[in-house]
Amino acid sequence: NAGVTQTPKFQVLKTGQSMTLQCAQDMNHNSMYWYRQDPGMGLRLIYYSASEGTTDKGEVPNGYNVSRLNKREFSLRLESAAPSQTSVYFCASSDGVGSPLHFGNGTRLTVT
Amino acid sequence: RKEVEQDPGPFNVPEGATVAFNCTYSNSASQSFFWYRQDCRKEPKLLMSVYSSGNEDGRFTAQLNRASQYISLLIRDSKLSDSATYLCAASPGGGYNKLIFGAGTRLAVHP
Repeated sequence: NAGVTQTPKFQVLKTGQSMTLQCAQDMNHNSMYWYRQDPGMGLRLIYYSASEGTTDKGEVPNGYNVSRLNKREFSLRLESAAPSQTSVYFCASSDGVGSPLHFGNGTRLTVT
Repeated sequence: RKEVEQDPGPFNVPEGATVAFNCTYSNSASQSFFWYRQDCRKEPKLLMSVYSSGNEDGRFTAQLNRASQYISLLIRDSKLSDSATYLCAASPGGGYNKLIFGAGTRLAVHP
């Protein structure tokens, strides 16, 4: 019953460093998402992939890139981390339009 | 104006109370609506979908008012374990396969 698995759970980066957040789902869902959550701001969509082979920008895509590696995996890359990217990142998946999202348990990222 | 707005609370209620949250959405094309529950430092978990006809799951009732563009969540007989943040979510419509979330409403149930 893994559902959506994210790694790592915690990460501390220095400004300018890069990293990739990994996400995998075992529910055979078509769609995958990356959100960030900041106090008072709620969940904001960074990028999403409606189906394997497609990716689209969300509300806050600047400073991020994504790769939909296959149907199961969707990674988020920070090329040059900035303190403004300190946040909790959630990956999610869904069966498609009209379906609810299922979330992974998050990555807490601090950029100093 | 944010696409999905919620009263941030906190709502402080005694055990056994009935509490209601509203969530407004700005896009009249929105088709799908959900309520999520999020515990402190945890991921959001689906509480219930919101259907046009309204739906109930035990002590929880969700309703949709398309004319006024809001959804509501009613919790009856509040338990200590209901203390959490409740997030509403709406699809933007137009066939877009994503959800827009409100910032959440915090509920604290006390003895």
